[in-house]
Amino acid sequence: EDQVTQSPEALRLQEGESSSLNCSYTVSGLRGLFWYRQDPGKGPEFLFTLYSAGEEKEKERLKATLTKKESFLHITAPKPEDSATYLCAVQAVDGGSQGNLIFGKGTKLSVKP
Amino acid sequence: DADVTQTPRNRITKTGKRIMLECSQTKGHDRMYWYRQDPGLGLRLIYYSFDVKDINKGEISDGYSVSRQAQAKFSLSLESAIPNQTALYFCATSGPRAREGYTFGSGTRLTVV
Repeated sequence: EDQVTQSPEALRLQEGESSSLNCSYTVSGLRGLFWYRQDPGKGPEFLFTLYSAGEEKEKERLKATLTKKESFLHITAPKPEDSATYLCAVQAVDGGSQGNLIFGKGTKLSVKP
Repeated sequence: DADVTQTPRNRITKTGKRIMLECSQTKGHDRMYWYRQDPGLGLRLIYYSFDVKDINKGEISDGYSVSRQAQAKFSLSLESAIPNQTALYFCATSGPRAREGYTFGSGTRLTVV
């Protein structure tokens, strides 16, 4: 069964304290891995897509990396405005999920000034 | 205008009432989705549609129905609302293979009393 697990469930950082969020996945064949940011009461906002192991993408203080079993979202010198829930999702190559994204439960990040 | 518009933004309804949540998109995509989000459970797929004539059940379709009125419009109905359908509901759309992930609406917060 295709599955996505995110850890930790919640993470509290001080402003400037770098850290990483983890997304581990089990899928028969990976078509793509997606990261989203979600602010309270709002819809998820697309951040990155990663397609193959070794791939990296960056956006401001965020950097996403991918291996064959997991992805990391690295946050460098975070600011309070980075506080949000970060969602990971995978898309399988086979038709098991009809190509739909399978979401993890998210990591809630709080950055204190 | 937003790429994906959901109405209403908030709704309180009584147990047993029928309610419809509406979604429209301006991305020109064929694929549309309805999710519900509950604390601790993440995003769960209710229904999805790959085109106007192709509608499919997701993992939690019981108690819900959908209508795809046009390429751009996808409505979700609760035939007889019950309190455990209280949740945040999201509509999303994607391109043919979802290579760029999903674009989500801002959500509808539904409370069933």
